[in-house]
Amino acid sequence: DAGITQSPRYKITETGRQVTLMCHQTWSHSYMFWYRQDLGHGLRLIYYSAAADITDKGEVPDGYVVSRSKTENFPLTLESATRSQTSVYFCASSESALTEAFFGQGTRLTVV
Amino acid sequence: TQLLEQSPQFLSIQEGENLTVYCNSSSVFSSLQWYRQEPGEGPVLLVTVVTGGEVKKLKRLTFQFGDARKDSSLHITAAQPGDTGLYLCAGARDYKLSFGAGTTVTVRA
Repeated sequence: DAGITQSPRYKITETGRQVTLMCHQTWSHSYMFWYRQDLGHGLRLIYYSAAADITDKGEVPDGYVVSRSKTENFPLTLESATRSQTSVYFCASSESALTEAFFGQGTRLTVV
Repeated sequence: TQLLEQSPQFLSIQEGENLTVYCNSSSVFSSLQWYRQEPGEGPVLLVTVVTGGEVKKLKRLTFQFGDARKDSSLHITAAQPGDTGLYLCAGARDYKLSFGAGTTVTVRA
């Protein structure tokens, strides 16, 4: 199916564990983004990527790692999950930073 | 501190009333986008404004980009219950798309 998909939709993990959130897009968009959404903060940019093998930090990168070996995939890894990383995570893609961003349905992550 | 400040945070109005949501920043943006988000879904684009002073209309929604490209507003005329949702502004700058905290709009029938 065409579009952008995130997996898993829901995840519960324990403090200190490593967890990876997956994001896959079928449009061959150059740009991909990871955001977290928390009440009162809207969407905060964690990392973004302008192309394969090019990534850069956003507003709240600490505790997260990304990679982009292929244009269509942009996984987000929490190296050692903390309770403060409990959030809803959204992945998005766009042709450029100026054009429409298409969002996945989100991953609700709970760290216990 | 977020790059974009949205106000108000919450807005509850009666069907048929008008409303305005503001998005302000001290930074200049290449473009300003407005999104709407439904519960359990990702945001969906409503409009993109690029030129300072630009005004775009989408049925009952009017979007304005400030002359200095630092602020924007969203005005809804004769709001309907179907307009209920979270409205987010997003500014494009330095290859990044940064969002405001959002305005939750509730339109009561």
